[in-house]
Amino acid sequence: DQQVKQNSPSLSVQEGRISILNCDYTNSMFDYFLWYKKYPAEGPTFLISISSIKDKNEDGRFTVFLNKSAKHLSLHIVPSQPGDSAVYFCAAIYTGNQFYFGTGTSLTVIP
Amino acid sequence: DSGVTQTPKHLITATGQRVTLRCSPRSGDLSVYWYQQSLDQGLQFLIQYYNGEERAKGNILERFSAQQFPDLHSELNLSSLELGDSALYFCASSVDSGSYEQYFGPGTRLTVT
Repeated sequence: DQQVKQNSPSLSVQEGRISILNCDYTNSMFDYFLWYKKYPAEGPTFLISISSIKDKNEDGRFTVFLNKSAKHLSLHIVPSQPGDSAVYFCAAIYTGNQFYFGTGTSLTVIP
Repeated sequence: DSGVTQTPKHLITATGQRVTLRCSPRSGDLSVYWYQQSLDQGLQFLIQYYNGEERAKGNILERFSAQQFPDLHSELNLSSLELGDSALYFCASSVDSGSYEQYFGPGTRLTVT
């Protein structure tokens, strides 16, 4: 049962434009959400997180939005750079330290 | 470099065999997590240890077991291996049990033939 879903396996964006990566979840008990970035042959790297009590968190070019009523979160990257090309995973947690990851979206930023 | 090390990088073995994957967390991190990533799948949480004790359990098969030693390194034991166990196995660590920011190792790729 996939409680965290990333329905777009891939996304291509021109350099300088906005990249929007989406994530949907089914469990309303999730209270913390994270985004990880993964390059080939490396482990995932933490990118940004958001608590369920907030609806937005920003860190430089990266902003995460949370819509609890829609059980949806998104990661915005502005402006997109070629070095952002990677696989992005969203993850959700609820009390008990059970982490649930999505299947990932492969982002390609075209120079 | 996340500071988390995993050995071996690659492992090829036959069905029915047993293997041990090893993980050394970042210096100072007390919590270790194990994940499995099969082809076209997301990361599946297997198990978490904190300072030597099991803290949380996910979709870990009974054929799999893990432990965390006093020096905080952890081992994931996979036995009676099946073809479907072929996957990337990641270890991650965090400062404590309540920290959500995990640092991942490079993974061990297990191939069962």
